[in-house]
Amino acid sequence: KQEVTQIPAALSVPEGENLVLNCSFTDSAIYNLQWFRQDPGKGLTSLLLIQSSQREQTSGRLNASLDKSSGRSTLYIAASQPGDSATYLCAVSVNNQGGKLIFGQGTELSVKP
Amino acid sequence: KAGVTQTPRYLIKTRGQQVTLSCSPISGHRSVSWYQQTPGQGLQFLFEYFSETQRNKGNFPGRFSGRQFSNSRSEMNVSTLELGDSALYLCASSLVSVAGLETQYFGPGTRLLVL
Repeated sequence: KQEVTQIPAALSVPEGENLVLNCSFTDSAIYNLQWFRQDPGKGLTSLLLIQSSQREQTSGRLNASLDKSSGRSTLYIAASQPGDSATYLCAVSVNNQGGKLIFGQGTELSVKP
Repeated sequence: KAGVTQTPRYLIKTRGQQVTLSCSPISGHRSVSWYQQTPGQGLQFLFEYFSETQRNKGNFPGRFSGRQFSNSRSEMNVSTLELGDSALYLCASSLVSVAGLETQYFGPGTRLLVL
């Protein structure tokens, strides 16, 4: 059974700091891994999708890496801003049909001005 | 392009009642998935529909059911509501193309409170 774990559960940093969020999964047989952002009481916004054959993806100040063999992914946020404050979730797709995602519990990020 | 829409946004029901939630996917998206989010269990997969057929199913009791219409809109139904069904129900749609490339686009959710 696939399990996804995110560490830390919560993180508070001063504005401008670079930070890394961690995600690990127990079964390396994944089709892709996605990072999402969720603002309080809202739906999820997709940030990055990494296919199983890829090692990393970048979008602006965000960089996500994937190491399938070790069951790990990291989300790197450069020069953090107060607007980055949200819960960050990683999710793995466990079949080739894409519609079923297994989520981690999320990392709640607070960026202080 | 309009995003995923969910109605209603908020709902209050009492134990034993049933509820129907609706999700309209992004135009052209044929896959619709449903998730339940609670503080204790996090986000859990309920089921996925593609071309009016349930393609994947999570580990939820039979009280949770869904369907998809020919225009890809989807509904989920929860019968005999329990207090533990209080949650944020999220719907996601995706454009089915090449396996491994489907980004999930989520709606704002329906917050259900069972009293």
